[in-house]
Amino acid sequence: GIQVEQSPPDLILQEGANSTLRCNFSDSVNNLQWFHQNPWGQLINLFYIPSGTKQNGRLSATTVATERYSLLYISSSQTTDSGVYFCAVWAAGNKLTFGGGTRVLVKP
Amino acid sequence: DGGITQSPKYLFRKEGQNVTLSCEQNLNHDAMYWYRQDPGQGLRLIYYSQIVNDFQKGDIAEGYSVSREKKESFPLTVTSAQKNPTAFYLCASSPGGAGETQYFGPGTRLLVL
Repeated sequence: GIQVEQSPPDLILQEGANSTLRCNFSDSVNNLQWFHQNPWGQLINLFYIPSGTKQNGRLSATTVATERYSLLYISSSQTTDSGVYFCAVWAAGNKLTFGGGTRVLVKP
Repeated sequence: DGGITQSPKYLFRKEGQNVTLSCEQNLNHDAMYWYRQDPGQGLRLIYYSQIVNDFQKGDIAEGYSVSREKKESFPLTVTSAQKNPTAFYLCASSPGGAGETQYFGPGTRLLVL
């Protein structure tokens, strides 16, 4: 099946810093989602982005499907951005495959 | 107030006991899903259902069972055959099936005593 790899596995940021998270996938995908899992475990939809670029406030995402990767940008990070960021892809078959996540800690 | 609810928030299971986790949605979504998350890991698919009275196994279905008698409900039973059930369980739904955005409930933490 498809493999989804996220990097870096862990990220420590000072409040106000910018960062980029990466998601690589091993095969063609139909769609891709980015999620934020808060410290209480809730998964929050960030982006549904099979290709192109989208922005939502301080967050933006770019997916280059032909090169099999997606990037999530966090600008002017805040402590509330802490948590785990997951990339998940739809490939052949009816299921969403998740990467291992990037754990982000934003220090005040 | 639309959304996905899961209950209970925490659940304790004794050895050899079956337990059932509840998942309800009022979003009128056709498809529903169950995932398992172990500490420090991503999510893995247990079962999914794209329509009432029909469901399919995911990657780690052994030791679990589900039913889909109503569109809004997709309960998951963790049976005694599941030897390592301690995990965080997340339910999700989507308007249709493959490729559509999934929305997640708050999760249930299951601990074996």
